Amino acid sequence: GAVVSQHPSRVICKSGTSVKIECRSLDFQATTMFWYRQFPKQSLMLMATSNEGSKATYEQGVEKDKFLINHASLTLSTLTVTSAHPEDSSFYICSASRGLYGYTFGSGTRLTVV
Amino acid sequence: DAKTTQPPSMDCAEGRAANLPCNHSTISGNEYVYWYRQIHSQGPQYIIHGLKNNETNEMASLIITEDRKSSTLILPHATLRDTAVYYCIVRVYPLSGGYQKVTFGTGTKLQVIP
Repeated sequence: GAVVSQHPSRVICKSGTSVKIECRSLDFQATTMFWYRQFPKQSLMLMATSNEGSKATYEQGVEKDKFLINHASLTLSTLTVTSAHPEDSSFYICSASRGLYGYTFGSGTRLTVV
Repeated sequence: DAKTTQPPSMDCAEGRAANLPCNHSTISGNEYVYWYRQIHSQGPQYIIHGLKNNETNEMASLIITEDRKSSTLILPHATLRDTAVYYCIVRVYPLSGGYQKVTFGTGTKLQVIP
């Protein structure tokens, strides 16, 4: 079945630094990918929609200059958390559309900013 | 997207059937019902989807009422590994090949008890 690979699975970074998270569709092309954030005991919150070859579309309240999204190819989207702060610590998840079969999700990235 | 409502939590004895309800009373005629589950600290996993007919696969069965205003996900023989948060989502299948962003509700936390 379709697989979405997300790396790293876990990262700890110092406050003020930037962190890049990769999301790859391994056996299918994904013109559109989605990025979610999830805080403990809460549901997934959609952050942005990533479109191959064009600018990402951000949800209301999500800072586009802080969460940089690049979708340079049909199989790779990246999310860069710039100048990370402790409040950015969260579980980040990407997903790719599979048409009628809905979405395939990555395994998530646990970001801890210290 | 039509909104969905689910009970926040349910318990089920191991080996018994788990029946998870979902209300989607404002669903449109071209919206499908999808079910995903999220095991702790992992990305959501696709379970099943349907439009108006009941569906069954190796994981679960999906029963959709005739008026399509509600549905039930059935795990026929729940195991401890089925303990997870289950999300019911409705979305249009983009026949044009486009995409539709998906937002998650709070889901149902299913606890399978030994």
